[in-house]
Amino acid sequence: KAGVTQTPRYLIKTRGQQVTLSCSPISGHRSVSWYQQTPGQGLQFLFEYFSETQRNKGNFPGRFSGRQFSNSRSEMNVSTLELGDSALYLCASSRGEVTEAFFGQGTRLTVV
Amino acid sequence: KQEVTQIPAALSVPEGENLVLNCSFTDSAIYNLQWFRQDPGKGLTSLLLIQSSQREQTSGRLNASLDKSSGRSTLYIAASQPGDSATYLCAAQPLYSNSGYALNFGKGTSLLVTP
Repeated sequence: KAGVTQTPRYLIKTRGQQVTLSCSPISGHRSVSWYQQTPGQGLQFLFEYFSETQRNKGNFPGRFSGRQFSNSRSEMNVSTLELGDSALYLCASSRGEVTEAFFGQGTRLTVV
Repeated sequence: KQEVTQIPAALSVPEGENLVLNCSFTDSAIYNLQWFRQDPGKGLTSLLLIQSSQREQTSGRLNASLDKSSGRSTLYIAASQPGDSATYLCAAQPLYSNSGYALNFGKGTSLLVTP
């Protein structure tokens, strides 16, 4: 079966711009979580959606937002990009709240 | 707040060796613990998931154990191969929902297996 699909794989943006990343979970999975990975901080939790509702949010500024659609696909948006937003953004899907998580290949965002 | 630590941060071994990667966590109230592999610039591949009620899980040459009382998990890799070279991450999922069920990750162990 198809895995978690993230698009695009790579992005280069300029400071001040905004960006939207997309995640399509495994079919039948209703939970989608987003993580930011940087060399210094490792993997940090951004937010989690379950059945179109944001259930939990990590310690990130309001410039980071997300949503989930009725087909469980999710998007995250970062407005007013800063250099420090350069990172690998990973999406994970799972069937339920505390079941095994499966990750996509990530979107590499570079802010210049 | 759950803190997950992985030791060592980096490890280099010759092909064929058996090796152990360590993961420790500060809060034993976990629902499960998951081990992942990450190749450079790629996403995470799930290797093993251990429920809190389990003591170990095995998949091929991999064996993961969990000791909740001591806050430790180990990933044992038998007969290592160059293709095992990657970063290995462990993640603990909290038991209680007041802070959500987000995975708490360690910083990973970077493994290099030399031919």
